[in-house]
Amino acid sequence: DIQMTQSPSSVSASVGDRVTITCRASQDISSWLTWYQQKPGEAPKLLIYAASSLQSGVPSRFRGSGSGTDFTLTISSLQPEDFATYYCHQANTFPWTFGQGTMVELK
Amino acid sequence: QVQLVESGGGLVKPGGSLRLSCAASGFTFSDYYMIWIRQAPGKGLELISYISSSSSSTNYADSVKGRFTISRDNARNSLFLQMNGLRAEDTALYYCARFDQVVYGMDVWGQGTTVTVSS
Repeated sequence: DIQMTQSPSSVSASVGDRVTITCRASQDISSWLTWYQQKPGEAPKLLIYAASSLQSGVPSRFRGSGSGTDFTLTISSLQPEDFATYYCHQANTFPWTFGQGTMVELK
Repeated sequence: QVQLVESGGGLVKPGGSLRLSCAASGFTFSDYYMIWIRQAPGKGLELISYISSSSSSTNYADSVKGRFTISRDNARNSLFLQMNGLRAEDTALYYCARFDQVVYGMDVWGQGTTVTVSS
C-alpha cells in the first residue's frame, strides 16, 4: 500500500498567517493527489485536485504544488473559516489512501 | 441540488450485519464511480470501497474484504454497503461520496451515517 505521511500533525497559527502542510507519498504517485478540508461535525470538502488545480468555488488563497512523492498545501493568508483538519489523498493505486491529517488550530 | 444522503447506520453486536444506503439526487448517478469512506471516532479517513458507474468494477480495502459488499442501483439512484461479520473496529461514521473522474477526487459527500459495533 502507498503510505501518505503528512507533516506537521498540527499547527497553531493566527489569522493572516501563511500556513504550509506537506504530504509525502511512499512511492511515486505522479500528480494523483487531492487535498480535503474537514471542519468538526462536517464531511470533508475537496480543495485541490491533480496536486495543484483549485476546485471550483475554493478561495485562491489555497494553493497546491508538487508531483511524484512530495506535495505541499499552502494557505497564503489564514482566515477564520480555515481552521480545520486537512487531508491529502492519493488515487494513483488502490487501496487509495489518505494522510493522517493536519489540524490547523488557532494560536 | 447535488446531494447524497446516507442511512441505515445503528448499533449492532459483534458478528452482526447492517446494510447502509446512500440516496443520490441532483446529478446523473449512473455517470459516476461511487465510494464508501469511513472515519472512526477522533480518527482520520479510510476509503473502504468503490464501485464503477456500471457496477462492472469494485474494490475493497483489506480491512473489509470478504465481509463488506458494495452495490448500486442506477435506476433508483442508490448506493449500498452490505456489512457482515461486523467487528468493534468497524465502529465509525460512514460517508458515501461521488468520485469525479475529471478531477480524480471525491467532489460530493454525504453527511454520514454512524455505525456502532458493541455488545
